[in-house]
Amino acid sequence: AQSVTQPDIHITVSEGASLELRCNYSYGATPYLFWYVQSPGQGLQLLLKYFSGDTLVQGIKGFEAEFKRSQSSFNLRKPSVHWSDAAEYFCAVHQGNKLTFGGGTRVLVKP
Amino acid sequence: GAGVSQTPSNKVTEKGKYVELRCDPISGHTALYWYRQSLGQGPEFLIYFQGTGAADDSGLPNDRFFAVRPEGSVSTLKIQRTERGDSAVYLCASSLGQGAGNTIYFGEGSWLTVV
Repeated sequence: AQSVTQPDIHITVSEGASLELRCNYSYGATPYLFWYVQSPGQGLQLLLKYFSGDTLVQGIKGFEAEFKRSQSSFNLRKPSVHWSDAAEYFCAVHQGNKLTFGGGTRVLVKP
Repeated sequence: GAGVSQTPSNKVTEKGKYVELRCDPISGHTALYWYRQSLGQGPEFLIYFQGTGAADDSGLPNDRFFAVRPEGSVSTLKIQRTERGDSAVYLCASSLGQGAGNTIYFGEGSWLTVV
C-alpha cells in the first residue's frame, strides 16, 4: 500500500525567509502527488499537483514543488514566506480513487 | 453554493448517542468522499461514493459507521453508539468525476466531540 511521510512536524520560519517542506512517498507506479494547505478553521485547499511531465510544478500563492523519482520525494518550496502562510501543510498521493495523506507539517511564521 | 458545505460545523454528543453529519457537495460533482482527521494527524479516508453507490468503504473503522447518498448529491455520515475515540473532524470532499485528474475539493469539516 502507498504511504506518505512528512518528516517535519513543525517548522518555524521568519517572514521573508525561504521555506521548504519535505514529503516522501512510497508507491510502486508513477504517483499522482498533491500538496494541500489547511488554515485554522478552514478546509483543505489545493496548492499544486503533479501527474507527469515537468518535474517542477508551480502552484498558487507562490508555491512550487519538485518531483524527484530517485529520492521518492515531492518537496514544497516558497522563496519568501508571508505571515499569512502560517498553516498546516499536507502532502498526498492519489491512488485507487482516493487520497492518502501524510501527517502534516505545521508552519509558524515569526515576524 | 460555491463550495462543499458541511453541517453541523460543531457537534458535542454524549458517549453512546447516535450522530448524523451532513455533506452538500459542489453542484454537479458525482464523486463524494468522507475523511476523518484526528488532532495532529492527516486526514484518513473513510468512504467514497460515485453517484449513489459506495464505490469504496474500506476506510470505515467498524460497523458503527455508515454513510448514504440516496440521490447522488447530499450525503450523510451516520455514527451509532458513539465512543470518545470517535472525536475528530469529519471532512467531506467532492470532485467532478473519479480519477486523479479531477481536483478534490474539501469542506470545512464537522468537529465532533464525544464526552
